Amino acid sequence: AQSVAQPEDQVNVAEGNPLTVKCTYSVSGNPYLFWYVQYPNRGLQFLLKYITGDNLVKGSYGFEAEFNKSQTSFHLKKPSALVSDSALYFCAVRPPASGTYKYIFGTGTRLKVLA
Amino acid sequence: DVKVTQSSRYLVKRTGEKVFLECVQDMDHENMFWYRQDPGLGLRLIYFSYDVKMKEKGDIPEGYSVSREKKERFSLILESASTNQTSMYLCASSPEAAGTNTGELFFGEGSRLTVL
Repeated sequence: AQSVAQPEDQVNVAEGNPLTVKCTYSVSGNPYLFWYVQYPNRGLQFLLKYITGDNLVKGSYGFEAEFNKSQTSFHLKKPSALVSDSALYFCAVRPPASGTYKYIFGTGTRLKVLA
Repeated sequence: DVKVTQSSRYLVKRTGEKVFLECVQDMDHENMFWYRQDPGLGLRLIYFSYDVKMKEKGDIPEGYSVSREKKERFSLILESASTNQTSMYLCASSPEAAGTNTGELFFGEGSRLTVL
């Protein structure tokens, strides 16, 4: 079965330190990969996506993500965390089969950046 | 900027009531989605629509129906609300990028439904 795993329910990091939020997937073929962020009582906001090309993708708010095909991972990173980055982060995968509109979401990772 | 508007942010309904959740997008997107978000379960797809009057079931369609009479509007209907439908409901839309299916989702602010 196709799936997305976010192995950490919560990640704590000190302000100014680098952060990583992990995502691995089990999807056949070459899927499209996405990261979204959700602030309290809000909808999800798109951060970045990987379709093809360079394995390092840059997105909004200084975030970037590294695609690793051999490890089927798409980890979200930021060189220097801000308290305002504290939120719920979702990884999502879209299988490439034509005609499918299905996104598979991970269960989310709560990021807490401590001042 | 794309705007996806969900008509109600917070609703409280009683068991057995019929509930309508409305969603409107202003960017002429072909695809629209209804998700349900529950802690520890992530987002689960209820229904999606790729065109007016077209709909497909998602992963958890039981107890729900949808309506898309106009391109910009996608409604989720709970025919007879039950307590296990207490949840956050998220509407989303995406463009159909020349058949490549690479478009990201644009979400509304969510509708938090409590069924008593």
